[in-house]
This record gives sequence, structure tokens and C-alpha cells, in this order.
Amino acid sequence: DTEVTQTPKHLVMGMTNKKSLKCEQHMGHRAMYWYKQKAKKPPELMFVYSYEKLSINESVPSRFSPECPNSSLLNLHLHALQPEDSALYLCASSQEAGATYNEQFFGPGTRLTVL
Amino acid sequence: AQSVTQLDSQVPVFEEAPVELRCNYSSSVSVYLFWYVQYPNQGLQLLLKYLSGSTLVESINGFEAEFNKSQTSFHLRKPSVHISDTAEYFCAVSDAGGFKTIFGAGTRLFVKA
Repeated sequence: DTEVTQTPKHLVMGMTNKKSLKCEQHMGHRAMYWYKQKAKKPPELMFVYSYEKLSINESVPSRFSPECPNSSLLNLHLHALQPEDSALYLCASSQEAGATYNEQFFGPGTRLTVL
Repeated sequence: AQSVTQLDSQVPVFEEAPVELRCNYSSSVSVYLFWYVQYPNQGLQLLLKYLSGSTLVESINGFEAEFNKSQTSFHLRKPSVHISDTAEYFCAVSDAGGFKTIFGAGTRLFVKA
């Protein structure tokens, strides 16, 4: 299984809602990533987890809260988002972070719209 | 600090014509270089990568890229494109031992019939 899955595919939420994005991989990868991608832009790194520990937080606002319950799962909890947070949220995994073989496998993304 | 520059934001080309998508990088350390492709409404997929060894790397669908250290470039080429190659292409760099991959701004390849 060389797939990264993400749910839901689409999410519409109000600014007062609380929601979560879910990402799963079963490739035995020990590094997982969250990216935010605005239209016609490259992915911007948000968080990196390595061996289930948060290794990088790219100064992301606290209304985004990542969680790595186990080596296969990565969640992104959303609360009190702003309309400018609307974007495609991509999850990725790699065998290890900080290693030569850090080719990343991406999920299809969750298209988030904040009203 | 590393950076990646993709010199063309859009490249229109006719089907069966050759294409080159340009990528330059800057880094003070050894780097690993990647090309990713993103089809509409999908995530990114790795197209090819340079880690070490032969400077010419190839993908299974006819793309190739050449690592040129003196020119700090990693241009992507294909001798004959298909309509199905229409997509966004991202050049990316990560440093040895680094946790981050830095993406270029992307080049939209549009193949016309």
C-alpha cells in the first residue's frame, strides 16, 4: 500500500466551528507532514512530525492544532478559522525526516472553505 | 538558506513537441533535488529525484532532468509531450539531513492539440 489517504475531501465550515482533518498512511513511514496550498501557489509547510513527535512548527497560528496519535495517523484540528484559511490542505509522509530518502508521498488533499 | 526558482510560470506547447521546464536552486550545502507533478484537484506525485551519482535522472513516463552543479540547475525535459502531461510541475530542494523540502513557485505546463 503506497497511498496516503485524507478525509474529508471537501469541508465547509463557519468561523466558530471546530472540525478535524484526518490523514492516514500504512507504508511504515516515520515522518508525516501538513502543508497548506493556496490556488496557483506551491505547498507551504505547516508541521512536521518525526517518530510521532512534533519536529517543526512553521509559526502556524494556534487555531491549527496538529496531533499524531500513532505512527500511521495524523490529524489537524481546526478552530475559529478565518476566511483566509480557505485552501487545499495536503498531508504527506516520508520514510524518515532528515534523511536522504525523504521523498514525500502526498495525499489528495482536503479542500477547506471557511465562511 | 535554500531557495528554488522556476523561471517560467506557464509553458504552453503543442502536443508531440519537446519541452523544457527550468529550475535553479541556491544552497550552501549538499542538496537533494526533486520534481513533483500535480494534476488538477489532486495531491503532488514525485516525478523524479536526484540524490547522488549520475547527474541525468529519468522518470517512467519519459521525463528526464539533469543536475548541473556549476549552473545550480535541475531542468526538466521531455522530447515529446502528450495532452495528458498538462499539469503543474514543482521543482523542490531539500538539504542533506534537513527536515524541510522547499518548493518552487511551480510551472503550469499546458499541452495543446
